This record gives sequence, structure tokens and C-alpha cells, in this order.
Amino acid sequence: NAGVTQTPKFQVLKTGQSMTLQCAQDMNHNSMYWYRQDPGMGLRLIYYSASEGTTDKGEVPNGYNVSRLNKREFSLRLESAAPSQTSVYFCASRHWPGDKAEAFFGQGTRLTVV
Amino acid sequence: KQEVTQIPAALSVPEGENLVLNCSFTDSAIYNLQWFRQDPGKGLTSLLLIQSSQREQTSGRLNASLDKSSGRSTLYIAASQPGDSATYLCAVTAGANSKLTFGKGITLSVRP
Repeated sequence: NAGVTQTPKFQVLKTGQSMTLQCAQDMNHNSMYWYRQDPGMGLRLIYYSASEGTTDKGEVPNGYNVSRLNKREFSLRLESAAPSQTSVYFCASRHWPGDKAEAFFGQGTRLTVV
Repeated sequence: KQEVTQIPAALSVPEGENLVLNCSFTDSAIYNLQWFRQDPGKGLTSLLLIQSSQREQTSGRLNASLDKSSGRSTLYIAASQPGDSATYLCAVTAGANSKLTFGKGITLSVRP
């Protein structure tokens, strides 16, 4: 039972390079999320997908794009990486709506932009 | 805009102590509140989910309570152990858009 799987786990990019962070879940959840976690800032929502076929901006969407490829997969793309995007990125999923909607997180991608 | 606050940012206690971690939120119209644990360099592990209609949830030595009217939740840890050392985060869902809003967490250290 894998839950939420993120790839890669670590990445170093040069300023201006692009990359895609991958996320897949095997719990048949309809909602998926991308967060970044920075010291002193906590977890901030970048983008989310309430259901397959929809995506919406979160708190800090600038510099990012997302694709909800299918119900299982939700990718995050950095088109031109900047040092300010150095962070730990987490993907999450859950079934929504519903009072019992427990969210599950991946293990994170640690990204350094030099 | 929903804001979630966790104070203090860090806490150190001796092993065996019962302790309470606090979480407060500004918009009381929440759907649910979830407590997570995060170990250094790791992802978030779900501990407890409290639905808006519930007052508390229990799992082993953990008990979480919810008071929507006052905008507060507490996570009670009984008989703390060094293995409980981690960062504890709370997150609330309010509104129909399914977003989770997080507090910044409380870093707990349990001394042997």
C-alpha cells in the first residue's frame, strides 16, 4: 500500500532550468494538493485539484504550473527555476467533500536552486 | 481568510509527562481539523481527524478535542516518551474549496 508517492526525492537545479515534480496516489482520492514548506513559513498551498479535470491556485502559485494528468497523478512544473523556489515540496491527497476526508502526504521532494 | 496559530513554537518536557498542544483558528465554520506529526526530514503523518460534528477523537495515547465556537483544538499526549519527539501540526478545512490551512507547528522534545 504505497499511499502518496513523490519523485524525485532530491533535486538540484541551476537558475533558469525547468523540471517537473511527479505525484501519484493509489487511494482513489479525487482531490490532490501541492504544498511547499519553508523554515518559519510553515506549509503553504501552491495549487490544488479538487477533482479530475480541475485545478486552482493556492496561496503561492507564481512561478509554478500544474497538470492533473488523471485521477491518480498530479504534477508540478517549474518553468524557470529561481533560488526563491528552494524548498521542500509535498504532495497530498484525500477524498473530498466529506467530513471524514483525511489527508495523506507524500515523503517530499527536497529542491535546491543554485 | 482562515488563519491557524500554534503556540508555543517549541516545547521541551521530561519523559512521562502528560502534555497538551494547542491549535487555534479564526474561522469557526470548519468542516474538520486534522493533526499531523512530522519527523525531521520526513513527510507528514496523519494522527487524528476530528469532524466538525465531533468533540474529540482518541488514538492510543493521543486525544484530540475540538471546540468550534471558541476556535480551538488541543492534542493531549499521555505519558510522553522520547519517541514522541517531533513537530506536530494542525490543519483545518473551511469552505467548499477543500483547501487545508496549516499552523506552523509545535516542535516537541521529550527528554529521557
